[in-house]
Amino acid sequence: ETGVTQSPTHLIKTRGQQVTLRCSSQSGHNTVSWYQQALGQGPQFIFQYYREEENGRGNFPPRFSGLQFPNYSSELNVNALELDDSALYLCASSRPGDEQYFGPGTRLTVT
Amino acid sequence: GQSLEQPSEVTAVEGAIVQINCTYQTSGFYGLSWYQQHDGGAPTFLSYNALDGLEETGRFSSFLSRSDSYGYLLLQELQMKDSASYFCAVKGDSNYQLIWGAGTKLIIKP
Repeated sequence: ETGVTQSPTHLIKTRGQQVTLRCSSQSGHNTVSWYQQALGQGPQFIFQYYREEENGRGNFPPRFSGLQFPNYSSELNVNALELDDSALYLCASSRPGDEQYFGPGTRLTVT
Repeated sequence: GQSLEQPSEVTAVEGAIVQINCTYQTSGFYGLSWYQQHDGGAPTFLSYNALDGLEETGRFSSFLSRSDSYGYLLLQELQMKDSASYFCAVKGDSNYQLIWGAGTKLIIKP
């Protein structure tokens, strides 16, 4: 069984730029959730995708957007990057309502 | 607002037992989860309680009291590899969104 993978592992961007983060879900999982984790804090829910549709969204502005593909992999896009967007971005896959399995994360630094 | 409270840091000795408490205030409740996260790593699932009582999985146990909006994670026979941050997380208004505490850093001394 293949686990959740994310790419890239690290990324440095400049304020105002755009970034795309990628996630491959675990085999058999059709739901992907994205979280932002600032240093020393718990993850904050960004949104969830189920069968290619956004299934719920946390308190993040519209410049955070996403996609899910037919193979259940997913992308997180962030436009107009701000310094406060620097964080670890975690992707988790699951079956609907079941426990979530996390990928290793992408460390984004905005300068 | 919705919030989860847990201690920021707990210190224990190798071989001992430690309890990490979590109190929550959410507008809805489906269940309480616990995750472990080592520095630089991904959160890994430990346990989930939807009903009151104690769930045991090896050296780890988790307890929930819905009437008290309270739960705890109990770690027995502590090993150095248990040094990590432990997060409680609630499925609140929806059965998909996890609301997380700020995490408890567990420090284990030999």
